[in-house]
Amino acid sequence: EVQLLESGGGLVQPGGSLRLSCAASGFTFSTYAMTWVRQAPGKGLEWVSGISGGGGNAYYADSVKGRFSISRDNSKNTLYLQMNSLRAEDTAVYYCAKGRGTLTINWFDPWGQGTLVTVSS
Amino acid sequence: QSALTQPRSVSGSPGQSVTISCTGTSSDVAGYNYVSWYQQHPGKAPKLMIYDVTERPSGVPDRFSGSKSGNTASLTISGLQAEDEADYYCCSYAGSYTYVFGTGTKVTVL
Repeated sequence: EVQLLESGGGLVQPGGSLRLSCAASGFTFSTYAMTWVRQAPGKGLEWVSGISGGGGNAYYADSVKGRFSISRDNSKNTLYLQMNSLRAEDTAVYYCAKGRGTLTINWFDPWGQGTLVTVSS
Repeated sequence: QSALTQPRSVSGSPGQSVTISCTGTSSDVAGYNYVSWYQQHPGKAPKLMIYDVTERPSGVPDRFSGSKSGNTASLTISGLQAEDEADYYCCSYAGSYTYVFGTGTKVTVL
């Protein structure tokens, strides 16, 4: 069974940094692109970032470009999201999700349970 | 990119059919056959219901179906059941390896 487990969320001050992790199991992690999607409290879903299976290609939404960095350690079956210069509007539940193939995402399945990031002073 | 446009809410009685629209542009919905739909119950993670516009993952009931015409994609739930009450989001590939979600639709079973 494919499982994704996020961690690393918490309370951080504006301008601060946080690193999220997503531990994967039940599939050959290195052969699938992965993605992060967030959901602000009471709001809709927003695609944040994606990365190819080998880690050589990374993509970002304009709202986080230059502040967030996605990476992965295929030896540890773990996906990361380094978040810097955090703003109040980054407050959200962050989900990781598995993509379609090594290079392509196209859809998100399955999703982890999410980790809450709160940016507040 | 701007979020795809969905109706805020739709409702129907058990056994009826409801259709949720998802309107985008030539740069997303109309430009690619990579529209997917997600169901989200309160406090839960989203679940994939439809991918590649019309395809249904194994385990998803066949009363869920997807379609697309021009820049509008649609999700139809036939034979509405109580457990279908949830939020639904569409998502489209938007080029350059980026994705855009819809604004979300709350489905209420009367």
